[in-house]
Amino acid sequence: KQEVTQIPAALSVPEGENLVLNCSFTDSAIYNLQWFRQDPGKGLTSLLLIQSSQREQTSGRLNASLDKSSGRSTLYIAASQPGDSATYLCAVVTGGFKTIFGAGTRLFVKA
Amino acid sequence: EAGVTQSPTHLIKTRGQQATLRCSPISGHTSVYWYQQALGLGLQFLLWYDEGEERNRGNFPPRFSGRQFPNYSSELNVNALELEDSALYLCASSLSGLISYEQYFGPGTRLTVT
Repeated sequence: KQEVTQIPAALSVPEGENLVLNCSFTDSAIYNLQWFRQDPGKGLTSLLLIQSSQREQTSGRLNASLDKSSGRSTLYIAASQPGDSATYLCAVVTGGFKTIFGAGTRLFVKA
Repeated sequence: EAGVTQSPTHLIKTRGQQATLRCSPISGHTSVYWYQQALGLGLQFLLWYDEGEERNRGNFPPRFSGRQFPNYSSELNVNALELEDSALYLCASSLSGLISYEQYFGPGTRLTVT
């Protein structure tokens, strides 16, 4: 059974700091991994999608990497801003065609 | 381009009643996914519809059901509501198939069961 874990559960950083969020999964048989952000009480905003054959994806200040063999992905946020404060979720699409989410990392960027 | 829309925004029901939630995907998307986000439990996969067919479902009882219409919109029905069904229900859409495409989420329907 696929399990997705995100560490840390919460993170507080000063504005301008570079930071890394971690996502690990137990079964390497995935089709893709997607990173989202969720603002309180809202739906999810897609940030980056990495196919299983890819190693990384970049969008603006965001860079996500994928190491399928070790069951790990990282989301790197450069020069963090208060507007980046949100919960960040990773999700994998399993070999059984289900989307499994991690519990998320709650990020707070202090001005 | 309009995003994924969901209705209603909020829904209050009594235990034992039925709830119907609706979702309209992004134009051109034929896959629709439903998720439950209950307090403290994270996002749980409920159902996946593609091209009008149910393709997969998560570990939820049969009283959670739905359908996808010819215009690819979808509805989620929850019968015999229980208190623990109170949650944010999120719908997402993508181009056909789960494998290669990004899922785009709607704002959700907040269901409260009293």
